[in-house]
Formats: sequence, C-alpha cells, structure tokens
Amino acid sequence: AQTVTQSQPEMSVQEAETVTLSCTYDTSESDYYLFWYKQPPSRQMILVIRQEAYKQQNATENRFSVNFQKAAKSFSLKISDSQLGDAAMYFCARMGMAGGTSYGKLTFGQGTILTVHP
Amino acid sequence: DARVTQTPRHKVTEMGQEVTMRCQPILGHNTVFWYRQTMMQGLELLAYFRNRAPLDDSGMPKDRFSAEMPDATLATLKIQPSEPRDSAVYFCASGFFGPQHFGDGTRLSIL
Repeated sequence: AQTVTQSQPEMSVQEAETVTLSCTYDTSESDYYLFWYKQPPSRQMILVIRQEAYKQQNATENRFSVNFQKAAKSFSLKISDSQLGDAAMYFCARMGMAGGTSYGKLTFGQGTILTVHP
Repeated sequence: DARVTQTPRHKVTEMGQEVTMRCQPILGHNTVFWYRQTMMQGLELLAYFRNRAPLDDSGMPKDRFSAEMPDATLATLKIQPSEPRDSAVYFCASGFFGPQHFGDGTRLSIL
C-alpha cells in the first residue's frame, strides 16, 4: 500500500517561533507530487505548498518551507514566525503520477493539529 | 480566484432519505474527486472522474452511493438510502495535472 504517515497527532508552538511538522510516505513510483494542506476550523482545505519529486530544491512559500528527503521518503513542513492564523489541522499528501487510474489521486496522512500560543 | 463550489453546505436529514450533493468544478479542470472526512477514518477517496468518465469508485459503498458527472460543470454524489454512519463532511475537489483544489465541503448529518 502506498501510505502517508504523520507521526505527530498534535503540535504546539509559541507565536513568532518556528515549528516543524513531520511526514513520511511510501511509494514505488519515481515521479510524484507532495503537498501540505491546511484545514482551519472553517474546514476549508487550503493548499500550503507543493513539491515535485524530481526537483531537488526544497519548495518555499513565504514563511512555509519544506525539507524534502527523497531517499528517506520524508517531507517535513517548517513554519517560521508562527502566527495565530496558522492554527489548523495540517495534512501531508502524495499525488501519484503513474499512468492509468492512479494518476492524480491524492493519498493523505492522518493530519497534525497545530496550536499556536500567543 | 476560481473556486470549487459545493452545495449544500449543511444537510440534516433522517435515516432512509435520499441525499444529493452537488459540485461545480473549476472551469478547465479535467479531474474531479469526491472525498469523505470523518474523525475515525480521516480523508477517504470515494470516487474519481477524469474528463467526466468515472475512473475509480472503489472507495464508495456501491449499494447506496452513486457518483455521476452529467456535464463538465456538475458532479453529483447521491446516497440512497442514507444511514447514520454516512454522517461526515463530503468534499469535492478538482484539478488539472496538478494539485487539487477543494470546495468548502458539505457537512452531512443523518439522524
């Protein structure tokens, strides 16, 4: 099975500090996408950041960056200068790129609840 | 910004009733997904369309659930008859060879 594992059910951080959320995945494919989605209490699923597996450079979006270790199948999310609005459930997801019916399908981790303390 | 639109946002109904959820994908997107989110199971893929053709509905209980895409602007997910265990948030997402964009979901409660 091609799984995505988030080993931290809950994390907390002080406002303005940095926090890292962990994600590991299992896949037999060489090409795929990885994503982090944010789900605040409003339940919207918001795309935070993406990483193409063939790119060695780690993706960055403002205060959000990833540490992509392809050999270790690890994809962690770092949030710098944490803000109260960052409080949410964060999901790591992998999208298959193989042909056929698996193309474009997302496999999600179980999520990490992030609390930001003022 | 273009958005995936889902209706209704909330639905409360009694067990045994038919439930229909609708989704308008982002114009130009060729893939549409239906997910169910529960506390116990997390996010589960129910069904998946590409260019309006159903590709994978293996995550869906076939005896009571059906998913269709009558045209490029509308996807539907029906439950008949509904059961209390179907209570969940149902998300539609669309994409085009890239990340999926999600609608705001339908919170379904079956009494």
